[in-house]
Amino acid sequence: DVKVTQSSRYLVKRTGEKVFLECVQDMDHENMFWYRQDPGLGLRLIYFSYDVKMKEKGDIPEGYSVSREKKERFSLILESASTNQTSMYLCASSLPHVGGISYEQYFGPGTRLTVT
Amino acid sequence: QKEVEQNSGPLSVPEGAIASLNCTYSDRGSQSFFWYRQYSGKSPELIMFIYSNGDKEDGRFTAQLNKASQYVSLLIRDSQPSDSATYLCAARGNFGNEKLTFGTGTRLTIIP
Repeated sequence: DVKVTQSSRYLVKRTGEKVFLECVQDMDHENMFWYRQDPGLGLRLIYFSYDVKMKEKGDIPEGYSVSREKKERFSLILESASTNQTSMYLCASSLPHVGGISYEQYFGPGTRLTVT
Repeated sequence: QKEVEQNSGPLSVPEGAIASLNCTYSDRGSQSFFWYRQYSGKSPELIMFIYSNGDKEDGRFTAQLNKASQYVSLLIRDSQPSDSATYLCAARGNFGNEKLTFGTGTRLTIIP
C-alpha cells in the first residue's frame, strides 16, 4: 500500500521565517511533486523532481525552493515566509510514465501552513 | 497557458440518481486524464483514469473521453451521500511530460 507522509498537518510560522516542509514516500517512486491548494484556484504545481538531485519548476515556483537528496524524501523550503504563502501544501509521488502508460499520483495528507 | 476547466458547482443530485461531472482541456496534445475525489479536509484520491476515446467503467463510475471535442466526463450511477465531495479533473500532456494540470474541481452534494 502506497504511503506518502508529510512532516506536519498544521504549521504556524511568522513572516520572514525560513520554513521546511518534508515529504517521504515508501514506494520507491521516481517522481515527487509539491502543490499548493487554495480555494477557487485548485491545485497548483510548485516544483517537481524526477530523480535524486533533479528538479523542475512548476507553475508557481517564486518564493520556494526544493531539495531531494534521497529518493524517498522531497523537501519544500520557503526561504522567507510571507502571508501570501498561507495555504494547504500537498506532496505527491508517482512512477514515471513508461511506454505511454500513465501512473497516478499518490498524495500525502497535506500541511496547512499559516504565516502570520 | 494549458488549462483544464471544470464547473465549480455546487452540483446537487438526489440520492440514487446519476451525477454527471464535466471537464474540458485546452492542450490538444494531452494524453491521459485522471479523476480524483477530495473530501473536505482530506487529500485527493484517484477514482479512475482514461486515455482512450470512449467509455471506461469501474463499478458505479464511468469515465468518458472525447479527444476531438477535448472533453472528459465522469458519471456516478446510483449516487450515495458518501459521494459528496469535490471532484478534480487532471490532464497529462505529451509523451514524456510527467506533470498533471488540474482543474479547480466541482463540488458535488448528494441529497438524501
